[in-house]
Amino acid sequence: AQTVTQSQPEMSVQEAETVTLSCTYDTSESDYYLFWYKQPPSRQMILVIRQEAYKQQNATENRFSVNFQKAAKSFSLKISDSQLGDAAMYFCAYRYTEQGGSEKLVFGKGTKLTVNP
Amino acid sequence: GAGVSQSPSNKVTEKGKDVELRCDPISGHTALYWYRQRLGQGLEFLIYFQGNSAPDKSGLPSDRFSAERTGESVSTLTIQRTQQEDSAVYLCASSSTLLGNQPQHFGDGTRLSIL
Repeated sequence: AQTVTQSQPEMSVQEAETVTLSCTYDTSESDYYLFWYKQPPSRQMILVIRQEAYKQQNATENRFSVNFQKAAKSFSLKISDSQLGDAAMYFCAYRYTEQGGSEKLVFGKGTKLTVNP
Repeated sequence: GAGVSQSPSNKVTEKGKDVELRCDPISGHTALYWYRQRLGQGLEFLIYFQGNSAPDKSGLPSDRFSAERTGESVSTLTIQRTQQEDSAVYLCASSSTLLGNQPQHFGDGTRLSIL
């Protein structure tokens, strides 16, 4: 079964500093996608960054980057120059397509990030 | 609007009542998903619609839950004889393609509270 584990229920960082959120996953698939979503108190899930499993190069989106270690099944998110607006719940997600064509997105339980001024 | 729209934003109802939640996906998105998010938890998959194919209902927790979608438009999630354990945020998402790296776009969710 596909599972996603976020081992840090809560993290905190000082404004302008760097923080890394951990995510590991378990799968027997070779073709899949990985995502980090941000959920502020407004509840909307906002896509932060995505990574295709077949790409070796780590994805980067401005201050957000990932460290994708396929053999270790690890997909951590690094936030540089943290800003107060980065405070939110962060969810790691794994997407795969079942044999019948159904597309599934499996989420971790989330990490609550606090940014201290 | 340009995003996924869900209504109502909040719903409070008594145990035993039926509720209907609505999702308007982004125009042109063929795939639509419903998730449940309990307080302090991640998202649980409920159901997935893709075009005119038979929906994947494997995540529905009981036969009190059902969902419909007309073509590639609006979807409704119905919960019959609600229980307190049904209290959660129900999130809808849509995406434009079955395969490829197109992400899911989420609505703001419906917060359901069962008294």
